[in-house]
Amino acid sequence: GDSVTQMEGPVTLSEEAFLTINCTYTATGYPSLFWYVQYPGEGLQLLLKATKADDKGSNKGFEATYRKETTSFHLEKGSVQVSDSAVYFCALRLNQAGTALIFGKGTTLSVSS
Amino acid sequence: EAGVAQSPRYKIIEKRQSVAFWCNPISGHATLYWYQQILGQGPKLLIQFQNNGVVDDSQLPKDRFSAERLKGVDSTLKIQPAKLEDSAVYLCASSSPGQGSYEQYFGPGTRLTVT
Repeated sequence: GDSVTQMEGPVTLSEEAFLTINCTYTATGYPSLFWYVQYPGEGLQLLLKATKADDKGSNKGFEATYRKETTSFHLEKGSVQVSDSAVYFCALRLNQAGTALIFGKGTTLSVSS
Repeated sequence: EAGVAQSPRYKIIEKRQSVAFWCNPISGHATLYWYQQILGQGPKLLIQFQNNGVVDDSQLPKDRFSAERLKGVDSTLKIQPAKLEDSAVYLCASSSPGQGSYEQYFGPGTRLTVT
């Protein structure tokens, strides 16, 4: 079935370090891909998205590129801040608008100063 | 624009008791979703409504869970009777066809603890 696999956490980094969180997917057709972030005590927020192959989503210094050949959507940031500490979820939506999201298990990021 | 509202934020019950959660989506959003997020896992869809009709309830444990959206606006999710494994955060989300990407907006969730 359709699924998302994320790297296990927690990921612990020092401020200004480079971040990569791996995400791969299995899906029929060509899904849309998303990264959501959940800050402590808050709800899920959309961080970035890509709707077709080779699209790059970006927001707040984070980037992810939709790689159809490797079925991946890895999240990267060049220099993390303490305020980036959160749980990050990779998700897909089968390519029909309005359908539900399928999430990975989430990766906890902890950034220390 | 007000976000998705949920209540209560926290609930503790004993197993075999019943509980209900309420969600008010963003005004004008026709599609409403209930997700269950067990600790250490990603959210999983329980049920999806389009206006007041059910689009997908294939993963809803119908022997104990029920949900309704009678007037196509707010929604309630009920568990009766609750089991220990129902301890989770219950997330409500909404989306609108008026937004090109059908982005889903999530509420803060209700954290349920079953003892």
